[in-house]
Amino acid sequence: DVKVTQSSRYLVKRTGEKVFLECVQDMDHENMFWYRQDPGLGLRLIYFSYDVKMKEKGDIPEGYSVSREKKERFSLILESASTNQTSMYLCASSYGTSGPKFNEQFFGPGTRLTVL
Amino acid sequence: GENVEQHPSTLSVQEGDSAVIKCTYSDSASNYFPWYKQELGKRPQLIIDIRSNVGEKKDQRIAVTLNKTAKHFSLHITETQPEDSAVYFCAASRITGGGNKLTFGTGTQLKVEL
Repeated sequence: DVKVTQSSRYLVKRTGEKVFLECVQDMDHENMFWYRQDPGLGLRLIYFSYDVKMKEKGDIPEGYSVSREKKERFSLILESASTNQTSMYLCASSYGTSGPKFNEQFFGPGTRLTVL
Repeated sequence: GENVEQHPSTLSVQEGDSAVIKCTYSDSASNYFPWYKQELGKRPQLIIDIRSNVGEKKDQRIAVTLNKTAKHFSLHITETQPEDSAVYFCAASRITGGGNKLTFGTGTQLKVEL
């Protein structure tokens, strides 16, 4: 079974703090993604990565950055947390360009971040 | 970029009835349309998907239809059961050599009442 894990289920930070959210997958997936989930807004893509050290902006990258130093790990960084970044953050991964169901994204359990 | 609209935002049906959720997309180059189910407190999981070269796909009680001309696709659940209660998300993607970036709809909260 594919396993995608995230470093924390719940996180409380203060405005202005630097926040790191970690995601690890154990299936040698090429692609990794960070989403935020807010009621009524669905899943919105923040950043994604197709390979190690590669990153591309999603639909809402402002205020965030990412790092992918190793294939299995994808980190989301909030350089200076703000209250409007309070949200559920979901990481996902998928296979590369070949193989069965290579488009299927496997999600982590999510991190509920509260910024006070 | 791609824009996906999903309706309705909430849907309540009686057990055994059918449920239909509809999505429209804007990018005519999109060619892959998955549906994810998210139960309360759990992570989203893929339940069915369809590619643009197919008009309909079925898997037991769920089916997805695609109308490329109108740029809309729908999820059909027949003989609904309480365990179908969840949030359902549609998504659209253009499959490229570099992988799959999904654009999700805003979700439909389905409640199956006894």
